[in-house]
Amino acid sequence: GAGVSQTPSNKVTEKGKYVELRCDPISGHTALYWYRQSLGQGPEFLIYFQGTGAADDSGLPNDRFFAVRPEGSVSTLKIQRTERGDSAVYLCASSLDRNEQFFGPGTRLTVL
Amino acid sequence: RKEVEQDPGPFNVPEGATVAFNCTYSNSASQSFFWYRQDCRKEPKLLMSVYSSGNEDGRFTAQLNRASQYISLLIRDSKLSDSATYLCVVISYNTDKLIFGTGTRLQVFP
Repeated sequence: GAGVSQTPSNKVTEKGKYVELRCDPISGHTALYWYRQSLGQGPEFLIYFQGTGAADDSGLPNDRFFAVRPEGSVSTLKIQRTERGDSAVYLCASSLDRNEQFFGPGTRLTVL
Repeated sequence: RKEVEQDPGPFNVPEGATVAFNCTYSNSASQSFFWYRQDCRKEPKLLMSVYSSGNEDGRFTAQLNRASQYISLLIRDSKLSDSATYLCVVISYNTDKLIFGTGTRLQVFP
């Protein structure tokens, strides 16, 4: 079956611009997670959704970052006023009832 | 201090060698433990869960020492295809977020 998909696979933007990153979880998975991975580091937790609501957003670095999951399936991570330090691979994962998390291929964001 | 610490490597080993990776975690409330594998420019994938009693899956053996807050992964008879980054992961009590180490890079050569 289809795994987690993320679009776009690559995004290049200029400092100060707004970007949206999309995640399509595995069908039926109730939990959805966003992580960010910088070069040479492990992924870092950003936010977790259970259904439509954000159950834990403690990893969002500041108020420029926001995520939604309005219908409990697709999620969008939104970054306002991008900075060079936001450059990273943004990974999405989904799971069924707190079991194994399956990761998507990620979106590589480059802020120039 | 990072919550999960690993030696970043790289570990360069010949085919057929046995190699071991270690990981320490600082939060005593951590309750679930995993090893993930990540290939270059790919997403992480679950390799195996780590149980207090230790567990083995083919050439891979994982062990947990709660008293020392220490996790290990042993790979026997290394294959070229084992070359990857191995990420140590913990989950704290009553949360679902994965806390990753920086990963240990393994390179197996012919």
